[in-house]
Amino acid sequence: AQKVTQAQTEISVVEKEDVTLDCVYETRDTTYYLFWYKQPPSGELVFLIRRNSFDEQNEISGRYSWNFQKSTSSFNFTITASQVVDSAVYFCALRLSGTYKYIFGTGTRLKVLA
Amino acid sequence: DGGITQSPKYLFRKEGQNVTLSCEQNLNHDAMYWYRQDPGQGLRLIYYSQIVNDFQKGDIAEGYSVSREKKESFPLTVTSAQKNPTAFYLCASSSSGTHEQYFGPGTRLTVT
Repeated sequence: AQKVTQAQTEISVVEKEDVTLDCVYETRDTTYYLFWYKQPPSGELVFLIRRNSFDEQNEISGRYSWNFQKSTSSFNFTITASQVVDSAVYFCALRLSGTYKYIFGTGTRLKVLA
Repeated sequence: DGGITQSPKYLFRKEGQNVTLSCEQNLNHDAMYWYRQDPGQGLRLIYYSQIVNDFQKGDIAEGYSVSREKKESFPLTVTSAQKNPTAFYLCASSSSGTHEQYFGPGTRLTVT
């Protein structure tokens, strides 16, 4: 069975702190795709990143970075120098190759306090 | 601009009435999806469609129906059989080439 676990329900940080959002996934497939989405208060989910199972390179995009480790089945997301605008719910998701179905985690609510 | 549109943004209905939520995409994506989100909760898949005239039930399809007559459109009907229809409904689409889903702005349905 496939599953995505985001154990952190809610995180609060003070502006400029670094914060890491955890994502652990379960699948027996060797080819799959992992995603992170941001859901601001407006409600629309915004795509942040996709990672293929065969590409374990970490990625950095501005203040955002992602750490993909197949050995621990984790795909963690770090925001450096957090800002109030980063406040949102963040979802991690898994899609298996050859399927159209996505499996979402329950989300982590991030509150960045000024 | 390419994207996904959902209308209306807010919808109010009386209990016992069927209601149809609109979802249109001009991204030329093959697959389309409907999710339900309750306050403080994650996304739950209602239905998805990989191609025109074909769709599959998701995890919570009971009380809902869909159609996929055109590639661009995937309307969702919330029937009177749905016990707790008040929720935030999100439509999404994806292509087989890029794999990621893109979401519409959502429709907040309130049934009283």
